[in-house]
Amino acid sequence: AQSVSQHNHHVILSEAASLELGCNYSYGGTVNLFWYVQYPGQHLQLLLKYFSGDPLVKGIKGFEAEFIKSKFSFNLRKPSVQWSDTAEYFCAVNRGDSNYQLIWGAGTKLIIKP
Amino acid sequence: EAQVTQNPRYLITVTGKKLTVTCSQNMNHEYMSWYRQDPGLGLRQIYYSMNVEVTDKGDVPEGYKVSRKEKRNFPLILESPSPNQTSLYFCASSLSIADTQYFGPGTRLTVL
Repeated sequence: AQSVSQHNHHVILSEAASLELGCNYSYGGTVNLFWYVQYPGQHLQLLLKYFSGDPLVKGIKGFEAEFIKSKFSFNLRKPSVQWSDTAEYFCAVNRGDSNYQLIWGAGTKLIIKP
Repeated sequence: EAQVTQNPRYLITVTGKKLTVTCSQNMNHEYMSWYRQDPGLGLRQIYYSMNVEVTDKGDVPEGYKVSRKEKRNFPLILESPSPNQTSLYFCASSLSIADTQYFGPGTRLTVL
């Protein structure tokens, strides 16, 4: 069965540190890839997504992610985090071959120390 | 305002008492989905609907039912709730599976 792995369940960083959150998936075909964020007390919202084209995608609030097909990875990055980035981050994958399921990782809780 | 609404937001019930959690969207989205969120497990898809009258099982459909009689509504039905269905439930909608999903505020369900 298809699966999505987020290896870091909890990450604690200081402000201005660089961030990289890992996401790996198990499906070998065409995929649609997403990163969603859940800020404390708020709805889940989309950070960025990849369907095709440039494997480096930019999202909101300075986030970006790189799709590396050979590594089945879609890692999320931000060069300099802020206290307001404290949230839970979820990676999600959809098989692009007329499949309608969305498989989610377990999430990474990010805490930024001021 | 474009939104996904869920009701109720909080529900405490007892084992075996049928319940329905409603979900409605006002964005004319084709795709709707139900998830449960449990600590350490992330979101798991329960059911999804590609369009009206078409639904399919997600990863964890056991103990749940859904219906999609009209585009805007996608209720989640627990015919005989059990304590292992205690969870935080989210409804979401999007134009298609490949588009941004818009999430409701969540329903926190406790089954005693």
